Parts: sequence; C-alpha cells; structure tokens
Amino acid sequence: QKEVEQNSGPLSVPEGAIASLNCTYSDRGSQSFFWYRQYSGKSPELIMFIYSNGDKEDGRFTAQLNKASQYVSLLIRDSQPSDSATYLCAATTGGTSYGKLTFGQGTILTVHP
Amino acid sequence: DADVTQTPRNRITKTGKRIMLECSQTKGHDRMYWYRQDPGLGLQLIYYSFDVKDINKGEISDGYSVSRQAQAKFSLSLESAIPNQTALYFCATSAGQGTEAFFGQGTRLTVV
Repeated sequence: QKEVEQNSGPLSVPEGAIASLNCTYSDRGSQSFFWYRQYSGKSPELIMFIYSNGDKEDGRFTAQLNKASQYVSLLIRDSQPSDSATYLCAATTGGTSYGKLTFGQGTILTVHP
Repeated sequence: DADVTQTPRNRITKTGKRIMLECSQTKGHDRMYWYRQDPGLGLQLIYYSFDVKDINKGEISDGYSVSRQAQAKFSLSLESAIPNQTALYFCATSAGQGTEAFFGQGTRLTVV
C-alpha cells in the first residue's frame, strides 16, 4: 500500500465549476499535509498546507483534513482553464522515518472552457 | 538565480554508464530530497537527508546512491544506468518537519 494515494483521475470539469481532489494516507503519525500544483514539464509548486483537522481556505482553494479518516482533500472553486495541471498530495510521515515527505501519484485536472 | 539548482538539466547517457546528478541550494535548509517522476506515478522518493551526517533510503533506492557533500549540496548517482531509469528527477529542500518543500527545475535523464 502506498503511503499517500490519490484518486486516479483524470478529472475534467467545466470552467466555473468546483473541482474536488482527494487523497488518503496510511501513516496515522503523519502530521503535515500539502497540495502542490505541477504544470507539464515544470517543478511542483505549493498551493496549500494544512496541519489541523477541518477546513483551511485561501482564495479559491480550500483544503480539508480529517485525521480520523486519514483523508485530505482540495477544493478549487470557480475553476479556470489556467488551473489545468497535475495536483500532487503530500504528507510528512511519523514513526521511525519522522518527517519524510511522501507524495501521491497525482491527479490530472483539465478545466475546459 | 534559482534557490535550488540542478545540473545538468538534460542528459542522455548509455546503458552501463555512471552518471551523477547534482543539486545545490542557497536556502540554508538542512533537509534535502531526491525524487523521481514517471508519468502517472507522481513523485517517488529515492533518498533523503535531514543533515550532512544523515542519509536515508526512500521508496525506490535500488540502483541509486547519494552523497551529501555539504549542507548545500546533495548529489545522486546512478552507478550503472539502465533504460528503466529514464525519468524526470527532482531535488527538493525543506527547512524542517512540516515545512514546505522547494524544488529544483528538474533533470530529464534518458538512458539509451
């Protein structure tokens, strides 16, 4: 089982819609969670981080964390064609490899006009 | 100049050759990582280092080795390259537990 898993996608939404991206993690000791966006051929860039249960909002982006269910999600409101990219979920692990940063396989999002 | 610099940016090498990918950073971070990216597989962790004397294997370390020459430098070596090591390689740094990782521009490696 991968330590961080994302819904496989690809995900296609119309412009203006809400895009919902999901991620689960296996290590209950994980403390910190990140969402990165990666355009084709480019480096990943941070969109959001979340440490506590609940929602965290930043502009059109909302990250949600449920530690009991080991679930992290990212909502993108009013999706724009420029949001089309691969979205990577990441978590820092606990236990003997404390602080190791592990990524999921990514979800490709396409926002069509 | 980029805070995290990878060299080379692109490399084509032959099967069986030894190759080194280099990463240097000016962010003053202790933690450095090497990841490999293949289509549909996200970022797979190869090795990570939390300080100069701390080196750890990641998910896919077989066929790779690393050297942390200084706080600012972390190199990845393929001792005998094989075609299935063709991929995009990223170096990243972070300041500490729970902090954002910053990525280099990536190295596209092709093994023929």
